[in-house]
Amino acid sequence: GAVVSQHPSRVICKSGTSVKIECRSLDFQATTMFWYRQFPKQSLMLMATSNEGSKATYEQGVEKDKFLINHASLTLSTLTVTSAHPEDSSFYICSALGLAENIQYFGAGTRLSVL
Amino acid sequence: EDQVTQSPEALRLQEGESSSLNCSYTVSGLRGLFWYRQDPGKGPEFLFTLYSAGEEKEKERLKATLTKKESFLHITAPKPEDSATYLCAVQAPGNQFYFGTGTSLTVIP
Repeated sequence: GAVVSQHPSRVICKSGTSVKIECRSLDFQATTMFWYRQFPKQSLMLMATSNEGSKATYEQGVEKDKFLINHASLTLSTLTVTSAHPEDSSFYICSALGLAENIQYFGAGTRLSVL
Repeated sequence: EDQVTQSPEALRLQEGESSSLNCSYTVSGLRGLFWYRQDPGKGPEFLFTLYSAGEEKEKERLKATLTKKESFLHITAPKPEDSATYLCAVQAPGNQFYFGTGTSLTVIP
């Protein structure tokens, strides 16, 4: 199956700092990437959909100025959590939708802990 | 309103005890239904995709089936390593994906 690499897998930061998470499709091109947030024992909550070369589409209630998404190429999307606060602590997961297949392949996730 | 419902929320099975997980959906113009496995602290791992009613897919002890209103994930003679959360997702027209809340499966040796 297709491989999606997500880094870092875990990050601990102080309140007020910004954190960047990278999501790469390693062996396929992805016109669309998704960013999710997952709370303990809950399902995936879609935050935003990003298409290569255009602005991301954010879900209702997600602050676009806080969660900056860049999808600069067909294999890379980044999520930057700006001025992180403890309430931003969560598990963030990206996925990539291949050009050829209509299947979302997921990264391994990033555990963010804001102190 | 487009919706995906999975049942049961949690399932405990003895090793070797076969069972089925359910995913019911109310999505117009289904483009595809997807099953994923998620281990704790990891991202979902793709298992199957089904596109039309009557379609079936198999992989080792897992078999996925699809009707016009629901999908089943059958687990035959499960082993402890099959313990995980199984997520169902449907794709509506326009690249919209809807995820269920998952079934947490525990297989006891």
